Amino acid sequence: SQQGEEDPQALSIQEGENATMNCSYKTSINNLQWYRQNSGRGLVHLILIRSNEREKHSGRLRVTLDTSKKSSSLLITASRAADTASYFCATDPTWGNEKLTFGTGTRLTIIP
Amino acid sequence: DVKVTQSSRYLVKRTGEKVFLECVQDMDHENMFWYRQDPGLGLRLIYFSYDVKMKEKGDIPEGYSVSREKKERFSLILESASTNQTSMYLCASSPPRRFGGSVLHFGNGTRLTVT
Repeated sequence: SQQGEEDPQALSIQEGENATMNCSYKTSINNLQWYRQNSGRGLVHLILIRSNEREKHSGRLRVTLDTSKKSSSLLITASRAADTASYFCATDPTWGNEKLTFGTGTRLTIIP
Repeated sequence: DVKVTQSSRYLVKRTGEKVFLECVQDMDHENMFWYRQDPGLGLRLIYFSYDVKMKEKGDIPEGYSVSREKKERFSLILESASTNQTSMYLCASSPPRRFGGSVLHFGNGTRLTVT
């Protein structure tokens, strides 16, 4: 079953605008991670937020985590054409072995 | 920088063929994973391994097997390829959780077409 579900499935914005993607999940987690995938390539890790953290920043990325609502958001500020990619959240569950579960992703298109 | 190398970017195979997908990592990671990625379905875990000769089934192991004879190499085997196994296959590795792991390092993927 899908642990992480991203919303929206697709998003198109103008260059320079901010992009927000959301992720919902179902079970208790150790951490939640965001990955990026350029077309036809592998995934690249962007940022990890632990279950006891509420917000984390990395460059133009800001991630929030609300464990009471079992949701996370990824904000990309001042978007660039190079940010065009698919973005996936992945959850590391509290119980069980060390395997992440990925959502279906958000396809982000930045219009120059 | 961690490097995960998948032996082929593109493969075309015929139905019924035995197919080997190879993956090598250079960071001495204990954990290695095989995912397949299909439009609208995201990434689904096929098998993973947390040590040499150790393997565990993921969410969709049917029709696949794996081999891990050396720590750096994790092979995915399609015993008898079928058209519904046409997909993008992604290999990944990570250190164990006790070392702050669970962040995955991915290869660039193998796009397999079965005709």
